[in-house]
Amino acid sequence: GIQVEQSPPDLILQEGANSTLRCNFSDSVNNLQWFHQNPWGQLINLFYIPSGTKQNGRLSATTVATERYSLLYISSSQTTDSGVYFCAASSGNTPLVFGKGTRLSVIA
Amino acid sequence: DTGVSQDPRHKITKRGQNVTFRCDPISEHNRLYWYRQTLGQGPEFLTYFQNEAQLEKSRLLSDRFSAERPKGSFSTLEIQRTEQGDSAMYLCASTLNTEAFFGQGTRLTVV
Repeated sequence: GIQVEQSPPDLILQEGANSTLRCNFSDSVNNLQWFHQNPWGQLINLFYIPSGTKQNGRLSATTVATERYSLLYISSSQTTDSGVYFCAASSGNTPLVFGKGTRLSVIA
Repeated sequence: DTGVSQDPRHKITKRGQNVTFRCDPISEHNRLYWYRQTLGQGPEFLTYFQNEAQLEKSRLLSDRFSAERPKGSFSTLEIQRTEQGDSAMYLCASTLNTEAFFGQGTRLTVV
């Protein structure tokens, strides 16, 4: 099945800094999603992005399906951006496979 | 409809007891997934339903685990004879064949 790898595993930023999180996947996909896991454990949908580029406020994401990677950009980071960011991918009708996540800490 | 709903949010049980969790998906979604997440890891797939049919089970789903989705609506996940290794967050998701949405999860602690 698909393998999903995320980097870096941990990231510490000063408030106001920008960051890029990366997700590599091992096979072609028809679903790729980015999530933010809040402190209570719920997965919050950020982007559904099997290909192309999307933006939502300070967050944007790009998936280059032919090269099997996706990037999540966070600009002007805030302390509320802290938490774990997950990438998950699937192909065909298979269930989403998650990476191990990037733990982001934004310090004031 | 406010999204995927899971109940209970927290469950503490003694080793050897049975527990059952419930998931109510987004109403028009035909697929429902169960995942398990342990500390420091990403969610791992357990099983999924398309309508009322259980289409796939992970090897993680031992014979102590059973899931149902009667009438293709809500789903239950039962764990029999719980073990300390079952302590985890159990997540439910639903989809209408594209973007998946997750519930708040049920955090199980086996003591």
